[in-house]
Amino acid sequence: DIVMTQTPLSLSVTPGQPASISCKSSQSLLYSDGKTYLYWFLQKPGQSPQLLIKEASNRFSGVPDRFSGSGSGTDFTLTISRLEAEDVGIYYCMQSIQVPITFGQGTRLEIK
Amino acid sequence: QAQLVQSGAEVKKPGASVKVSCKTSGYTFTDYHTHWVRQAPGQGLEWMGWINPKTGNTNFAQKFQGRVTMTTEVSKSTAYLELRSLRFDDTAVYYCARGGAYKVWGQGTLVTVSS
Repeated sequence: DIVMTQTPLSLSVTPGQPASISCKSSQSLLYSDGKTYLYWFLQKPGQSPQLLIKEASNRFSGVPDRFSGSGSGTDFTLTISRLEAEDVGIYYCMQSIQVPITFGQGTRLEIK
Repeated sequence: QAQLVQSGAEVKKPGASVKVSCKTSGYTFTDYHTHWVRQAPGQGLEWMGWINPKTGNTNFAQKFQGRVTMTTEVSKSTAYLELRSLRFDDTAVYYCARGGAYKVWGQGTLVTVSS
């Protein structure tokens, strides 16, 4: 199974400041079709996960442009350029290049 | 727009079975796999498997093999998850999600296993 490792596991950030979450996979997520099967989700308290970023760096429709994804191969980063109060929750990375699909442990983001 | 609506909360005794439904709308049901993901209280997300509504083919995580069944009723655009021989640690919120890019998720169904 592909192991997804997120760091840090918790983060406290002042509104207006940037935040960054790392996700490392135990195998490359680059498939032969040229796509990288790495996704970022945010789960707000009491809600279902919501897609932020697909294929490592493609922002999903309607997601604010302060969210960006970067990285390749096995190392990925989610960056929030200017934190807003509504961004609190748990962030997960997920790979779907291989079954079983696996998630990172989650990073809890709080407002300082 | 695409929507997944799941059945309501369930309370089951250890050893029993539970069946959760996921009714889809707003897209062609057979065009996307339906995935099932669960989340134990205070824990992370755990993928259980997927079903291809067009073919009925399934793919499960190893830990659920032999205890899980995923089915669909294409005429109702609905997917089902059945989990048997329930244990206390099966207590979780169970989500269905549309495959492809996992853009659409159900609201979750809380299954509580309690004696």
